[in-house]
Amino acid sequence: AQSVSQHNHHVILSEAASLELGCNYSYGGTVNLFWYVQYPGQHLQLLLKYFSGDPLVKGIKGFEAEFIKSKFSFNLRKPSVQWSDTAEYFCAVENTGFQKLVFGTGTRLLVSP
Amino acid sequence: DAEITQSPRHKITETGRQVTLACHQTWNHNNMFWYRQDLGHGLRLIHYSYGVQDTNKGEVSDGYSVSRSNTEDLPLTLESAASSQTSVYFCASSPGQGIYTFGSGTRLTVV
Repeated sequence: AQSVSQHNHHVILSEAASLELGCNYSYGGTVNLFWYVQYPGQHLQLLLKYFSGDPLVKGIKGFEAEFIKSKFSFNLRKPSVQWSDTAEYFCAVENTGFQKLVFGTGTRLLVSP
Repeated sequence: DAEITQSPRHKITETGRQVTLACHQTWNHNNMFWYRQDLGHGLRLIHYSYGVQDTNKGEVSDGYSVSRSNTEDLPLTLESAASSQTSVYFCASSPGQGIYTFGSGTRLTVV
């Protein structure tokens, strides 16, 4: 069965620092990849997605992610974080055709002003 | 505007009681899902449905059931609530390809 690993459970950064959150998945078939974000007190919302094509995808609010197929990875990056990026970030994987997501355990990001 | 709503937002119940959490979407999505969110576990899939009269078990389905009698609703029932089911429950709907719209969640406490 598909599993998703997020190695960083808690990350604390100062504003303007660069961010990289790791995500690895286990199943090597064709997959769709996602990052969802949950701001404090809110529901999850889609940050960015990868289906095919350019392995570097850009999402909202300056976030981007890179799909490296050989490493089964889909790491999230942002060059300069803001206090408003404080949230929990979830990586998710869909085995193409199965229409259901498997989520990682999440990474809590705290950005100090 | 289309939306997905969950009710109640907060619920406290006693061990052994039956509890039903509501999920209603007006997106006309065929796919609907229930997840629970727990610290250290992220989101785990409880049950899901690909359409009317279709229901499927997820990875943590024991003690839960769902029914899908129409496109809009997927209620989640805890047959006999246990303290281990204290959690935040999220409903989501999707037109496919992993694009989920989540509800605002139900915080359930079983005492």
